[in-house]
Amino acid sequence: SQKIEQNSEALNIQEGKTATLTCNYTNYSPAYLQWYRQDPGRGPVFLLLIRENEKEKRKERLKVTFDTTLKQSLFHITASQPADSATYLCALPDSWGKFQFGAGTQVVVTP
Amino acid sequence: SQTIHQWPATLVQPVGSPLSLECTVEGTSNPNLYWYRQAAGRGLQLLFYSVGIGQISSEVPQNLSASRPQDRQFILSSKKLLLSDSGFYLCAWSPAVWGSNQPQHFGDGTRLSIL
Repeated sequence: SQKIEQNSEALNIQEGKTATLTCNYTNYSPAYLQWYRQDPGRGPVFLLLIRENEKEKRKERLKVTFDTTLKQSLFHITASQPADSATYLCALPDSWGKFQFGAGTQVVVTP
Repeated sequence: SQTIHQWPATLVQPVGSPLSLECTVEGTSNPNLYWYRQAAGRGLQLLFYSVGIGQISSEVPQNLSASRPQDRQFILSSKKLLLSDSGFYLCAWSPAVWGSNQPQHFGDGTRLSIL
């Protein structure tokens, strides 16, 4: 069955450093992958999409990579700020176009 | 611009009581609509999705049901709630291009507690 794994342990990072989150998947061959941000008590908000033929995608201080050989996506937050503290989810489409979401990784940025 | 509204924000219900959660979307036509449940520390579990009025697909067997009486209205219901129905319920929409790379847009959820 299709499976998505994100680090369940919270990532504690100092302000100004780069946070790196991992999304690993098995039994998928996704044409693209999405990343979302979720704040406590709120719905997820779409951040970035990366296609299988794109190695890297950037949006402001965010960078996403997609390695279809390793079946892995990395999500980087550079020059992190306390306002970046949230849970970050990766999502992949299944064979029928519906999305499967990872459990998310919580990021805590301390001043 | 498109907006999605979900209510109520929180709900406390006794076991065995009925449930009705409502979601409406504004600013778009014929959206794909979704109901998810999120348990603490876990990912989003897709419960139902709809590609049009009256068209509902169920992802997991349970005592919940969904209906889409209007193009931009999606309702999650139960006749008798169970303790296991507690959780954070999220409604989402995406443009009606099935299988495309369109992002999903979520409401702010309903925190449902069953006593």
